[in-house]
Amino acid sequence: RKEVEQDPGPFNVPEGATVAFNCTYSNSASQSFFWYRQDCRKEPKLLMSVYSSGNEDGRFTAQLNRASQYISLLIRDSKLSDSATYLCVVLNTGTASKLTFGTGTRLQVTL
Amino acid sequence: EPEVTQTPSHQVTQMGQEVILRCVPISNHLYFYWYRQILGQKVEFLVSFYNNEISEKSEIFDDQFSVERPDGSNFTLKIRSTKLEDSAMYFCASRRRDRGFFEQYFGPGTRLTVT
Repeated sequence: RKEVEQDPGPFNVPEGATVAFNCTYSNSASQSFFWYRQDCRKEPKLLMSVYSSGNEDGRFTAQLNRASQYISLLIRDSKLSDSATYLCVVLNTGTASKLTFGTGTRLQVTL
Repeated sequence: EPEVTQTPSHQVTQMGQEVILRCVPISNHLYFYWYRQILGQKVEFLVSFYNNEISEKSEIFDDQFSVERPDGSNFTLKIRSTKLEDSAMYFCASRRRDRGFFEQYFGPGTRLTVT
């Protein structure tokens, strides 16, 4: 089983739509969780950390379910500029160092 | 806003040659990392570095790889004898020291092409 699993997509949505991405992780001892965004051939950019209580940043909402080992990202009112690959990323207890990346979910927002 | 910088942006080298990829982490960060991403694949951890020593490395980071922090600002990745399969995007990242802050910030990457 992969450490971090994501649906690769692509998700094609019209501007203004709401879209949700899911991610599961295999290591129950995982400590910290993040969503990064990656544009084509660019570096991953931190979008948001994910907390157990859930957190929101503008149009973006992240949720964590530790019992199900499941992380989600909701994007409301999609913009053309949201088109990118969204990476689910996990940091495991004990290493306190390395990030483990999912393969990413590709989002294409269209007019 | 402070950023991680990397040079060169693109490096082309012949198989068997040595390459050095350079990174300048964010100035008040104390944890440093190298990751790589082969085209079309996921980002993979290579090595982490703290307090002038390697704190963790992956299976990919074999004897051909080394890291160094030669001065107070630069962080380098050396590949001694490059192979075709080393062709990838190499990202440097850094993190604050503070407890509870695990966010890592990535540089723009160096695209390494081995021919």
